[in-house]
Amino acid sequence: ILNVEQSPQSLHVQEGDSTNFTCSFPSSNFYALHWYRWETAKSPEALFVMTLNGDEKKKGRISATLNTKEGYSYLYIKGSQPEDSATYLCAFKLTGGGNKLTFGTGTQLKVEL
Amino acid sequence: DGGITQSPKYLFRKEGQNVTLSCEQNLNHDAMYWYRQDPGQGLRLIYYSQIVNDFQKGDIAEGYSVSREKKESFPLTVTSAQKNPTAFYLCASRSRTSGSSDTQYFGPGTRLTVL
Repeated sequence: ILNVEQSPQSLHVQEGDSTNFTCSFPSSNFYALHWYRWETAKSPEALFVMTLNGDEKKKGRISATLNTKEGYSYLYIKGSQPEDSATYLCAFKLTGGGNKLTFGTGTQLKVEL
Repeated sequence: DGGITQSPKYLFRKEGQNVTLSCEQNLNHDAMYWYRQDPGQGLRLIYYSQIVNDFQKGDIAEGYSVSREKKESFPLTVTSAQKNPTAFYLCASRSRTSGSSDTQYFGPGTRLTVL
């Protein structure tokens, strides 16, 4: 079973702080990297799908970058708000991986007033 | 509204009993997935199905069984052979149309507790 690692495991920030998380994955046979946001008592929600080395995606105050050669992705949140509190999951898919995603354990973010 | 439903939200069963978790989607997606989440671990794939009447084992299929008789339904049975069935179970679906982003859409989950 291939592993994807996320760090930090949890994070507490103040409202207005900017923050970032890391997702590390095997760089060989890479096909795609997904980011999901999972709020408490809700379903995980897709944020980004990235496939190309150097990809950058942005949705409002949240952005992500991808480095497939070294096997990592960063997720950035600018000016964190309490509604950003959630667990952020990354998942990767291999070439020829049978349409399966391998998920990391997530980074739990809490934004305090 | 289009989406994925899982029922029930909470389920309690006695040890040794089989239990079936429901997953229904009205997104017209071909592929469906079952994941399990335990504290401190990522989502782990139990079974997945890319088309009706076909399914494949995921990473932790032992003690589980599935069926895919209809496109919109992918029930998961947790059998008595599953050594540690207490967990949170998530169902997901994905479109297989050309050019789709491979994004999986998730249901709200079922928390199973075996007493």
